[in-house]
Amino acid sequence: SAVISQKPSRDICQRGTSLTIQCQVDSQVTMMFWYRQQPGQSLTLIATANQGSEATYESGFVIDKFPISRPNLTFSTLTVSNMSPEDSSIYLCSVDDGVLTDTQYFGPGTRLTVL
Amino acid sequence: QKEVEQNSGPLSVPEGAIASLNCTYSDRGSQSFFWYRQYSGKSPELIMFIYSNGDKEDGRFTAQLNKASQYVSLLIRDSQPSDSATYLCAAKDSGGYQKVTFGIGTKLQVIP
Repeated sequence: SAVISQKPSRDICQRGTSLTIQCQVDSQVTMMFWYRQQPGQSLTLIATANQGSEATYESGFVIDKFPISRPNLTFSTLTVSNMSPEDSSIYLCSVDDGVLTDTQYFGPGTRLTVL
Repeated sequence: QKEVEQNSGPLSVPEGAIASLNCTYSDRGSQSFFWYRQYSGKSPELIMFIYSNGDKEDGRFTAQLNKASQYVSLLIRDSQPSDSATYLCAAKDSGGYQKVTFGIGTKLQVIP
C-alpha cells in the first residue's frame, strides 16, 4: 500500500486564521481524498482531488472555506480558511489504491484545535 | 443519502472470545466493502476488504457479506486486549465516482 505523510501532525490556531495541511504520497496516485473526523464522529468526506482538475466538493463544503491544490500525482494541500472553533477536528488525507485492491489508505492525520 | 449504519457500542468481550461486529448499508449498488480499525488518536487502518457474497478469512479476522440483506460483518476470533479499538465499516458507492461512505464505527473493548 502507499505510504502517506501529512504535515503538520497537529496545530493550535487562532480564530480567523488559515492553516494549510500538506499530504505527500510515496507513489503516483490518481485520486486523493480529504476527510474530516470530528470528536466522536466518523469520517466525513470534504472533497476529492484529481491532478489537473478542480477538486470535487461534497455537500456542505465549499471551495472558499476549504481550498485544495493538487499540483502533481504525489502531493495535495488542504487549506482551512477563516477558522472557527467548529473547525477543530482531525483532517485526514487518503488515497485510492485503484489498482490492486480498490481500497483507500489514510495518512496519519492532522489534529487541529482552533481557539 | 447513502448510509452505512453501525452500532456505536461499546461492545465488550472477554479475552479469547469471538467479537462480532455488524453493519448495514443503504446503497444496493455498492460492490466493495471495507473494515478499518482505528485506535484512539490514530488514523484508520485497513483490516479487510470484501467484494463477494460469503466469507473471507484473514488470520483471526473473518469478513462476511450478504448483498441480498445489505449486511456486512466482521468476526474477530481469540480476541486480544490489543484488538480494543473502534472498527469502521465502509462501502464504496456504486457508479464511477470512487466515494466511500463510512459508518460511525463500533467501539470494541476486550476485557483481560
